[in-house]
Order: sequence, then structure tokens, then C-alpha cells
Amino acid sequence: SAVISQKPSRDICQRGTSLTIQCQVDSQVTMMFWYRQQPGQSLTLIATANQGSEATYESGFVIDKFPISRPNLTFSTLTVSNMSPEDSSIYLCSVRPSSGGEQYFGPGTRLTVT
Amino acid sequence: AQSVTQPDIHITVSEGASLELRCNYSYGATPYLFWYVQSPGQGLQLLLKYFSGDTLVQGIKGFEAEFKRSQSSFNLRKPSVHWSDAAEYFCAVGAAAGNKLTFGGGTRVLVKP
Repeated sequence: SAVISQKPSRDICQRGTSLTIQCQVDSQVTMMFWYRQQPGQSLTLIATANQGSEATYESGFVIDKFPISRPNLTFSTLTVSNMSPEDSSIYLCSVRPSSGGEQYFGPGTRLTVT
Repeated sequence: AQSVTQPDIHITVSEGASLELRCNYSYGATPYLFWYVQSPGQGLQLLLKYFSGDTLVQGIKGFEAEFKRSQSSFNLRKPSVHWSDAAEYFCAVGAAAGNKLTFGGGTRVLVKP
């Protein structure tokens, strides 16, 4: 399995601002993903972070709101732009090692927007 | 489209008793199936996975799950729960060759002393 870290672990932000979340993996991985977990809810895939190309977004999520970067095979960032209270959630990154179908998750970033 | 249903939102079980969490999935081809556990304030930890072969799979922490194609189910079991098993459990399905994981709504397990 991969060891995944996320920064920050939590943050409280004002509406209208933006927050960038970092995800670092201890080994090179082909696939990285970003998920959102709204309070008391399950996980929803935001996008697949593609190395060297634009991210692939799921229905209901757009690049202007959730820009993603993937500069190399061990690092990705997710920005939550122009935040509103509805963006209060836990944001998790995950990786899929090339050898398997399972995904491993980071500890998450708990975001509160006031 | 793939989907996952976890019929039980909450389950309360006594410490030492057995536990079974239900998971039903909808997927057109052979699915990849997973169970994850999320302890309070933590990320998700993979408990076990099913890709193919033996339909009874063993995982970490004494958990096992059984794949039943005819029932489109992948139920999770543990013979004797410990207080540390109190957490939220998520079932997920993915395409054999694809990337996306679709998660069920989760089942919160409470363990009584």
C-alpha cells in the first residue's frame, strides 16, 4: 500500500476565498483521485488527476470551481475556489497503484466555510 | 451505471457479538468490490477486496466478506466485534478495467460494552 499525506488537515475559511489542498504520496502512482465527503454523507468522486494533462471531472463538478494540478507522479493539489458554506466537507485524495484495482486514501482535509 | 446500496444506516452490536453488514451493488459486468472502514476523524482504510476467484475473501482486523453474484451482494462479517470496531463502513464497487469507485451510503456501527 501507499502512504499518503494531505495538507492542511483542517481549515476554517471565509466565504468567497479559495483553499488549496495538497496530496503527497510516498511512491509513484499512475492514478490519483479527489473525493468529497459532505457532512454525514458518503464519498463522491470529484475528478481524476491526470499527470501532465487536464483533470477529468465527474458530472456536477467543474474546473473553475475545483482546479486540480498534477505536476508529477507523487503530488497533486485541489483548489476549492470562491467558497461558500455548502463547500464545507472533508476532501480526500486517493491513489490507485498500477498493480491493483484498489484505492488507498489520504487522511482527508476537513474544510469549514463560514 | 454502477450503484451501491447499504440498507442499514446504523447498527448497534454488543462487544463480542457477531456483525454482518449488507451491501448490494448494481453493475453490468464483473465488478471489483471493496469494503473500507472510516474511524472518527480518520481517512478510509481498505478492509478487503474481491476481484475474482474464491467468493469468500479474508481481510484485515478479522473481517471477511462473501461475494454472491446471484444476489448482487457483498456482505461483510466479523465473528466477534471489539469496541475498536466502532466506525463507519463503506462498500464500494469499481469497474474491472476502469478507475472510478462508487461508494454506498455507509453503515455506522456502534459497539455496546
